Amino acid sequence: AQTVTQSQPEMSVQEAETVTLSCTYDTSESDYYLFWYKQPPSRQMILVIRQEAYKQQNATENRFSVNFQKAAKSFSLKISDSQLGDAAMYFCAYRGLIQGAQKLVFGQGTRLTINP
Amino acid sequence: DSGVTQTPKHLITATGQRVTLRCSPRSGDLSVYWYQQSLDQGLQFLIQYYNGEERAKGNILERFSAQQFPDLHSELNLSSLELGDSALYFCASSGSSGGGFYNEQFFGPGTRLTVL
Repeated sequence: AQTVTQSQPEMSVQEAETVTLSCTYDTSESDYYLFWYKQPPSRQMILVIRQEAYKQQNATENRFSVNFQKAAKSFSLKISDSQLGDAAMYFCAYRGLIQGAQKLVFGQGTRLTINP
Repeated sequence: DSGVTQTPKHLITATGQRVTLRCSPRSGDLSVYWYQQSLDQGLQFLIQYYNGEERAKGNILERFSAQQFPDLHSELNLSSLELGDSALYFCASSGSSGGGFYNEQFFGPGTRLTVL
């Protein structure tokens, strides 16, 4: 079974600085997708960024980028120019490709605090 | 707004009772997923339906059941409720049962269940 591990329960960063959230996963599949979701105090789950495992190029979405290391099974999220609105819980998630196995497997989350 | 709706937003009930949570997927989405978010277990997949049929089961208790109706809305039934069932229950929808990259899951706002 696939597992996702986020080893940083909490992180904090100064506004306008850069922060990196860590995520590792375990799978025997060769093709899969990885995601970072943001959960602000409203509790809504918001997709931040996604990565296809077969793509070597790291995904970027504005101030958000990932460092995807397939061999190491590592998928970290970098937030540049941190803003107060980035404060939230961040969840790393894995999704397989096989029919019947497209469920999302989530890590335990990292609570990010932005200091003004 | 993800386009996925869930009702009710909040539910307070007593141990031993039965409740029904409702989810309407995004227009055109055939798959519905249910997730439970609790403090001790994190975000866990419960069950997936595709076009009315059950496609995958996760850590769903026997006291819980779900179904997807012809109009594609889904209901999650929780019975013989226990204190430990208090959690945030999310519904997510996606476009098909396939594993395509653009088959991302869009989350509803969740239903917060409190069992007293």
